[in-house]
Amino acid sequence: NAGVTQTPKFRILKIGQSMTLQCTQDMNHNYMYWYRQDPGMGLKLIYYSVGAGITDKGEVPNGYNVSRSTTEDFPLRLELAAPSQTSVYFCASSPLGGSYEQYFGPGTRLTVT
Amino acid sequence: AQTVTQSQPEMSVQEAETVTLSCTYDTSESDYYLFWYKQPPSRQMILVIRQEAYKQQNATENRFSVNFQKAAKSFSLKISDSQLGDAAMYFCAYRRSSMEYGNKLVFGAGTILRVKS
Repeated sequence: NAGVTQTPKFRILKIGQSMTLQCTQDMNHNYMYWYRQDPGMGLKLIYYSVGAGITDKGEVPNGYNVSRSTTEDFPLRLELAAPSQTSVYFCASSPLGGSYEQYFGPGTRLTVT
Repeated sequence: AQTVTQSQPEMSVQEAETVTLSCTYDTSESDYYLFWYKQPPSRQMILVIRQEAYKQQNATENRFSVNFQKAAKSFSLKISDSQLGDAAMYFCAYRRSSMEYGNKLVFGAGTILRVKS
């Protein structure tokens, strides 16, 4: 049981480039989330999903897109990278029911120059 | 909208001593959950402790305990017998009880805890 995995761990992008951050969970959780953490700050929600085929915007969705075609995967797409997207990105998942605790991946550090 | 405020950007504690981290929140809801997460230098987010608003009893997990004051909307974390491994960034987080809003967490800005030997 690997929990929540994210790839890549680190990435440097040039302004205007695109990339996809991958997130996979093997706990059969219904809910999945993408957060960003700017230096010295707390996490802010970008997008979330309550199940396959269902996604919704969080607090800071501009410049990002998501899809959820399977229960396990929840990729985050950056279309035209900007320096303001330099951040650490966390994916998380939580079950439907029980404590609804969110389990976090190890994060992806992204730098846009 | 709900907000979470951590007014202490940084705290220090001597090894084996006790430290309290502060958190206040703003909500119009009566039923919700509050959390403390620990983020060590590895960046991994680790759940430390959880409090359900409908429970009057303060949650405890070994050396970690909370002081939950619902009327004051205050949720502080007390770490007893501090250890070097407790050094980390600590985040307070809130979530509404209703799953209608997708179980989303709202985080405070964090408090860096330094432990001196």
